[in-house]
Amino acid sequence: GESVGLHLPTLSVQEGDNSIINCAYSNSASDYFIWYKQESGKGPQFIIDIRSNMDKRQGQRVTVLLNKTVKHLSLQIAATQPGDSAVYFCAENPGANSKLTFGKGITLSVRP
Amino acid sequence: NAGVMQNPRHLVRRRGQEARLRCSPMKGHSHVYWYRQLPEEGLKFMVYLQKENIIDESGMPKERFSAEFPKEGPSILRIQQVVRGDSAAYFCASSPNRGGQPQHFGDGTRLSIL
Repeated sequence: GESVGLHLPTLSVQEGDNSIINCAYSNSASDYFIWYKQESGKGPQFIIDIRSNMDKRQGQRVTVLLNKTVKHLSLQIAATQPGDSAVYFCAENPGANSKLTFGKGITLSVRP
Repeated sequence: NAGVMQNPRHLVRRRGQEARLRCSPMKGHSHVYWYRQLPEEGLKFMVYLQKENIIDESGMPKERFSAEFPKEGPSILRIQQVVRGDSAAYFCASSPNRGGQPQHFGDGTRLSIL
C-alpha cells in the first residue's frame, strides 16, 4: 500500500493490498481524533477513533495510529476490498464543545 | 434503532427564498451538530445545540442563518434569503451527551440554489 498526505487527493490500491491514509492535524490541544468514511451521496460513517492518551487502536481490518509529537494520524486498512472505495476524512476535536474539525479528505480507489 | 434522520434529502430553492432543513437525532441523543460541506471539501462546523439551547454557534454566518432544537420535534437549520453560495450539502450529527463521541451523521440535505 501507499501512504499519502492530504495534499494528494487520491490513493489507488490493488484489491487485497493494505492501504495507509495519512493526516496531519493542526491543533496540539486536540484530545480526540476520528476517521470517517463517506460514500457518494451519503453522510460520514464512523470507522474508528482514538483519544490522545493512546498511540494505537485496532478495529476490524482497521488500525489508527497517533503520533502527537509530529501531530500525525494515520488509518491503515488491511486487505483492502472494493467496498472500501470512498472518501476518507480525519477529524480532530480541539476540546471545545465537541465540535469536530475535518481535514479535506482523500479518495481511496480500489482496483480489482 | 433508527439513525440520524434528515429531510428533505434534496432541496431546490430560488435566490431570495427560505430553506428549512430538518434533523431528528438518534434515539436517546439530545445533542445535535450541523456541518456544511462544499463539493470536494471536508465538513465545516456550523452550530452545536442541546434541547432548547445553542451551545456553540461559532461556525454559523451571522446573517440569514439560524438554528433551533426545540423541546419537542426535530432540530431546524433555517437559511433566509438564500444566495447561490449557500448551495452545499448540510449534515447533521448527534451524540448522547455533551462531549459525547463519536458523532453519528445523517445522510444530509443537498441544497441547490437556482
